[in-house]
Amino acid sequence: SQQGEEDPQALSIQEGENATMNCSYKTSINNLQWYRQNSGRGLVHLILIRSNEREKHSGRLRVTLDTSKKSSSLLITASRAADTASYFCATVGGSNYKLTFGKGTLLTVNP
Amino acid sequence: NAGVTQTPKFQVLKTGQSMTLQCAQDMNHEYMSWYRQDPGMGLRLIHYSVGAGITDQGEVPNGYNVSRSTTEDFPLRLLSAAPSQTSVYFCASSMTLGDGYTFGSGTRLTVV
Repeated sequence: SQQGEEDPQALSIQEGENATMNCSYKTSINNLQWYRQNSGRGLVHLILIRSNEREKHSGRLRVTLDTSKKSSSLLITASRAADTASYFCATVGGSNYKLTFGKGTLLTVNP
Repeated sequence: NAGVTQTPKFQVLKTGQSMTLQCAQDMNHEYMSWYRQDPGMGLRLIHYSVGAGITDQGEVPNGYNVSRSTTEDFPLRLLSAAPSQTSVYFCASSMTLGDGYTFGSGTRLTVV
């Protein structure tokens, strides 16, 4: 069963705007990861945030984690047309550290 | 180039046929997994391995077998293909448990 649930399911913005995607999960985690998938391609790992971290940055990406609310957000600043893709959150939890994905957010950045 | 290599990229099978999806990584990663991706369902874990000789079931293991005889290879076997197994299959690996994964480019399988 899915652990993470992304919100919204689809997001359309203009180039230069910021994009925010949210992820909620149900059980305790070791870490939470965000991935990008361009149409027809494999997934690319973007960023990992551990359960004892609250915020992490990587280039134009900012990820927050609130373990009390079991939620995370991914912010992409100054978006570009090339950011058009599906974005997935994935949680790592349990003794065997399985990676469980949500259903994703489809981001469209219009030029 | 270092990474995860999946073959074939496309495959059409008839119901009842068997086949093996190949996955190889050259990064000396211990952890390898197979996922299937279906429209509206996200990625679901089929089987995973925490090292050579060790495999375990994921969320949707029925109809699939795996083995891990070497660190590099993690093949996925479809025993008797069914139309419900039509999907895109991804293999992924990570250096250690809980790390970020490197994904292969996928195998698009159609069962008719």
